[in-house]
Amino acid sequence: GESVGLHLPTLSVQEGDNSIINCAYSNSASDYFIWYKQESGKGPQFIIDIRSNMDKRQGQRVTVLLNKTVKHLSLQIAATQPGDSAVYFCAENYMDTGRRALTFGSGTRLQVQP
Amino acid sequence: EAGVVQSPRYKIIEKKQPVAFWCNPISGHNTLYWYRQNLGQGPELLIRYENEEAVDDSQLPKDRFSAERLKGVDSTLKIQPAELGDSAVYLCASAILHFRDTGELFFGEGSRLTVL
Repeated sequence: GESVGLHLPTLSVQEGDNSIINCAYSNSASDYFIWYKQESGKGPQFIIDIRSNMDKRQGQRVTVLLNKTVKHLSLQIAATQPGDSAVYFCAENYMDTGRRALTFGSGTRLQVQP
Repeated sequence: EAGVVQSPRYKIIEKKQPVAFWCNPISGHNTLYWYRQNLGQGPELLIRYENEEAVDDSQLPKDRFSAERLKGVDSTLKIQPAELGDSAVYLCASAILHFRDTGELFFGEGSRLTVL
């Protein structure tokens, strides 16, 4: 399949290690955040979300942390596996002139070394 | 349950030619989105439908792009005429949301357009 991106920031980790992917969002009015995973040749796949009234949310092997003071979002993946290799996007959601707008960041490529 | 289905997966055309993409959302999903994803970037919203109504088309280049969602189910996105800069992956997504709601979007695998 085609590559999602050729010049994305890349995080390379060893299998079994923990991964942390960071994202700076732009709008202080954003009240909902989502992390998506995109494998080559596929559409984005939902991983986890968090609302702005929370600082942390955990899923299966994944944790999202939200720091509204510095407009920073992170995705932590525990015990990273080769199947986690993909491009990860954060997205912020906010009300803009009465409509909801979901804006994606530029993505980070995660490479898991066996 | 079937996911969001898009076709064609790949399309190569000469500039100035027309092209159309088709999307079948997940059954029961009232909201449908078309996004464009350029190489190395995140998806960018083109248009959002709630049932048959386009509730957000502010990012759709209306001089050459058009979209429709007849009967509030399937949707088509058309470009006429295509330009070199239209080369990208066109993603369709669907959700069960209302205009002011937030929530998960389910994406199709995309239609990759190459304009020569």
